[in-house]
Amino acid sequence: EVQLVESGGGLVQPGGSLRLSCAASGFTFSSYWMTWVRQAPGKGLEWVANIKQDGSEKYYVDSAKGRFTISKDNAKNSLFLQMNNLRPEDTAVYYCARAGAAIDYWGQGTLVTVSS
Amino acid sequence: DIQMTQSPSTLSASVGDRVTITCRASQSISGWLAWYQQKPGKAPKLLIYKASSLQSGVPSRFSGSGSGTEFTLTISSLQPDDFATYYCQQYNPYPWTFGQGTKVEIK
Repeated sequence: EVQLVESGGGLVQPGGSLRLSCAASGFTFSSYWMTWVRQAPGKGLEWVANIKQDGSEKYYVDSAKGRFTISKDNAKNSLFLQMNNLRPEDTAVYYCARAGAAIDYWGQGTLVTVSS
Repeated sequence: DIQMTQSPSTLSASVGDRVTITCRASQSISGWLAWYQQKPGKAPKLLIYKASSLQSGVPSRFSGSGSGTEFTLTISSLQPDDFATYYCQQYNPYPWTFGQGTKVEIK
């Protein structure tokens, strides 16, 4: 059974940093692109970033470029999102997901709140 | 960036109704279109990928069609478990983008 479990969310002040982690199991992690998607409270879904199987290609939404870094550790079946210079508009539930046939498996999400 | 526009934003329907949701892309995305269902407080669930391919385990009352810039999600006979919000998403090219969502409510 595919499982994706996020951690690392919480309350952070504007300008601060946070590192999200996602533990993957139930599939061959090194064989899949992985993705982060976020959802602001009461709003729709927004794709944030993708990373290729071996980490050699990364793509970001414009609002994340230069501030967020997606990475993965295939030996530890883990996906990460380093978020720097956080803004109030980054407040959202962040989902770790597998990019197989479209976005085919999702974690339960971790809430990031950016507020003073 | 490619804009995805769903209609309607809200839909009121009864159990047993045939329901259709439309998604339009601001430029051609060929067939790189997915549909997701999301219930309150839960992660989205993939229903349809590549415009018309049914994800494993998804009931056959869900179907997708379209190509280029216009796509539809159809629920042939609405069930109580189907009241939720539905999103379309294009996944080629980057940046991936989602529609704003269609909430299916009980009439």
